[in-house]
Amino acid sequence: NAGVMQNPRHLVRRRGQEARLRCSPMKGHSHVYWYRQLPEEGLKFMVYLQKENIIDESGMPKERFSAEFPKEGPSILRIQQVVRGDSAAYFCASSPPAGVTDTQYFGPGTRLTVL
Amino acid sequence: SQQGEEDPQALSIQEGENATMNCSYKTSINNLQWYRQNSGRGLVHLILIRSNEREKHSGRLRVTLDTSKKSSSLLITASRAADTASYFCATDAKGGSEKLVFGKGTKLTVNP
Repeated sequence: NAGVMQNPRHLVRRRGQEARLRCSPMKGHSHVYWYRQLPEEGLKFMVYLQKENIIDESGMPKERFSAEFPKEGPSILRIQQVVRGDSAAYFCASSPPAGVTDTQYFGPGTRLTVL
Repeated sequence: SQQGEEDPQALSIQEGENATMNCSYKTSINNLQWYRQNSGRGLVHLILIRSNEREKHSGRLRVTLDTSKKSSSLLITASRAADTASYFCATDAKGGSEKLVFGKGTKLTVNP
């Protein structure tokens, strides 16, 4: 059973470009979470999605950031018109349907660098 | 808002010694989890303790939870150089959306 997969692992963008980060949850997992980590900091929650639904986006910046988890395919975190402050590691986590376990399993992360 | 805080921020010990890290939080929780992160890597889940549990063991790990003090501790016994990593506690707020709130972590260095 493959773990949570994220790609790309490293992404370099120039200011004003778009960044698209992908996350494939573990098999059988229907819940996806995105977190952001700045250097020397803990992870900060961004958004929680289930298939085709955003459950909690209280940690998402109001502008330029969006997330989706379509019926088929990976979850996508999209950052439009990137700025230097968006440089960070972005982690995706997944968990199975409610009642199985509360553990969230993390992917290896995508390290975004904005030049 | 709820926030996990670990202390100490950094801990340096010799191989074979025990390492204890503490975590405090502010609101009622469903559970508390500890994760390990090696430098530049993803997070590895270590252990989950529910709000109605007081202590849990997994191999060389021992976690305690005191909900009256809103605190938890992670003990790693007989440490090894391979335990060198950052350790984070994460809480899942009661009545919340299952999102995890992380502290800033404890950076553990185990010297051979």
